[in-house]
Amino acid sequence: DAGVTQSPTHLIKTRGQQVTLRCSPKSGHDTVSWYQQALGQGPQFIFQYYEEEERQRGNFPDRFSGHQFPNYSSELNVNALLLGDSALYLCASSSLGGLTEAFFGQGTRLTVV
Amino acid sequence: GESVGLHLPTLSVQEGDNSIINCAYSNSASDYFIWYKQESGKGPQFIIDIRSNMDKRQGQRVTVLLNKTVKHLSLQIAATQPGDSAVYFCAHRRVEYGNKLVFGAGTILRVKS
Repeated sequence: DAGVTQSPTHLIKTRGQQVTLRCSPKSGHDTVSWYQQALGQGPQFIFQYYEEEERQRGNFPDRFSGHQFPNYSSELNVNALLLGDSALYLCASSSLGGLTEAFFGQGTRLTVV
Repeated sequence: GESVGLHLPTLSVQEGDNSIINCAYSNSASDYFIWYKQESGKGPQFIIDIRSNMDKRQGQRVTVLLNKTVKHLSLQIAATQPGDSAVYFCAHRRVEYGNKLVFGAGTILRVKS
């Protein structure tokens, strides 16, 4: 049983560019949440998707957007990248709108130069 | 791997000793308190959680204690092993807020052989 898988594992982008990160949830899970983890800090909640809709959103600008597909996989898009967007982006999956234990992927390390 | 936790508190313990990692929280309305372990280059891994109406829960080699009077959460690891070396985060979630996880700052655990 594959756990949560994220792609790519590492990515380097230039300021102003756009990036798309991908996440496949653990089998049987229908809820995907995205987190940003800056170096030396705990993960910060970006948003959660359930039933293909954004259900919760953290304190992140509109440059951060997402999507959930019918197969429950999800994408995180970041537009107009800033140097401060450099971080580890984590995807977590769970069930029933987040009622069950969350399992994290290994993350995508994004570096903005 | 990445260097996580440049400014995090560090707990160093001898292999075989017991470890106690502490966390203070401010949100009394949370429904669940959770401990995660994050190894270098990986996403957070669920260790154990406790409902807010409990004060103790035991797992395999781990015990979580919740003191709501002083808003304090602790993780006890028995017979600490080198594989326990990682960054440990406490987190909490509230069902009313869509179960988004709110993470604390983290503690580095180093196990000396």
